Amino acid sequence: RKEVEQDPGPFNVPEGATVAFNCTYSNSASQSFFWYRQDCRKEPKLLMSVYSSGNEDGRFTAQLNRASQYISLLIRDSKLSDSATYLCVVIPDTGRRALTFGSGTRLQVQP
Amino acid sequence: EPEVTQTPSHQVTQMGQEVILRCVPISNHLYFYWYRQILGQKVEFLVSFYNNEISEKSEIFDDQFSVERPDGSNFTLKIRSTKLEDSAMYFCASRPPDRYEQYFGPGTRLTVT
Repeated sequence: RKEVEQDPGPFNVPEGATVAFNCTYSNSASQSFFWYRQDCRKEPKLLMSVYSSGNEDGRFTAQLNRASQYISLLIRDSKLSDSATYLCVVIPDTGRRALTFGSGTRLQVQP
Repeated sequence: EPEVTQTPSHQVTQMGQEVILRCVPISNHLYFYWYRQILGQKVEFLVSFYNNEISEKSEIFDDQFSVERPDGSNFTLKIRSTKLEDSAMYFCASRPPDRYEQYFGPGTRLTVT
């Protein structure tokens, strides 16, 4: 089983739509969770950290379900500029601090 | 806003040659990382570095790779004898001592011919 699994997409949505991405992780001892976005041939950029209580940053909401080992990202009112690949990222356990990346979910927002 | 910088942006080298990729982490960060991304694949961890020594490395980081912090600002990745399969984007990242979020540089695209 992959350490971090994501639906690769692509998700094609119209501007203004709400879109949700899901991610599952295999190691129940995982402690830290993030969403990064990556534009084509660019570096991953931190979008937000994901906390147990859930967190929101403007149009973006992240949720963590530890029991199901599941992380989600919701984007409301999609903009053209949201088109990118969204990477689910986990620190697998307390003994390690390196990031483990999912393969990413591609989002294309259409005008 | 402080950023991680990397040089060169693109490096072309012949198989068997040595390459050195350079990174300047964010100034108050103490933990440094190298990752790579082969075209069309996911980002993979190579090595982490703290307090002038390797703290963790992956299976990819074999004897042909080495890292160094030659001065107070630079952090380098050396590949001793490049192979065709080393062609990838190499990203440097850093993080502060009190947070786990890592910040990435723009990457060096390495092409081995």
